[in-house]
Amino acid sequence: GNSVTQMEGPVTLSEEAFLTINCTYTATGYPSLFWYVQYPGEGLQLLLKATKADDKGSNKGFEATYRKETTSFHLEKGSVQVSDSAVYFCALRGAQKLVFGQGTRLTINP
Amino acid sequence: DGGITQSPKYLFRKEGQNVTLSCEQNLNHDAMYWYRQDPGQGLRLIYYSQIVNDFQKGDIAEGYSVSREKKESFPLTVTSAQKNPTAFYLCASSIDAARTEAFFGQGTRLTVV
Repeated sequence: GNSVTQMEGPVTLSEEAFLTINCTYTATGYPSLFWYVQYPGEGLQLLLKATKADDKGSNKGFEATYRKETTSFHLEKGSVQVSDSAVYFCALRGAQKLVFGQGTRLTINP
Repeated sequence: DGGITQSPKYLFRKEGQNVTLSCEQNLNHDAMYWYRQDPGQGLRLIYYSQIVNDFQKGDIAEGYSVSREKKESFPLTVTSAQKNPTAFYLCASSIDAARTEAFFGQGTRLTVV
């Protein structure tokens, strides 16, 4: 079945550092890929998405490129802020279901 | 404003009691979902519904039940058969059950004592 694997956290960075959170997937067909963000005690918010190979999703300085050849969708940001501290989930959408990775907790120190 | 409303935000129940979590959406979405989140873990699918009066079991449906009598509502009942019901429950919806993104409510934290 479909599955998503994220890099294990927690990840701790200093403000203005470069961020990469790795995400790889296993899926049949051509799934859509997503990154969601969750702040403490809240639901998930869609951060960005890509629906086909080589698409780049971007939002709020975050980017991720749908790489079919490496089955990856790594999240990147050039300069993180304290307000980016949250849990990030990679997800894929195949037939009917949305499948999530385990989440990566990110903490940004000032 | 369009969105997904889950209520209540916090819920406490005694062991052995059934409890129903509410989820309402005004986005006119066909598909709705219930997920469970445990500390430090990802989301696990409990039930999903692609259309009114139809729903399917997800990966961890045992001890849970749902109904989908109206397009905008998808309540989840946590029954006494669920062995570890204390968790954070998230409801979501999407335009359809194809490749589109899902939008989430704010969640209900259920504590069973």
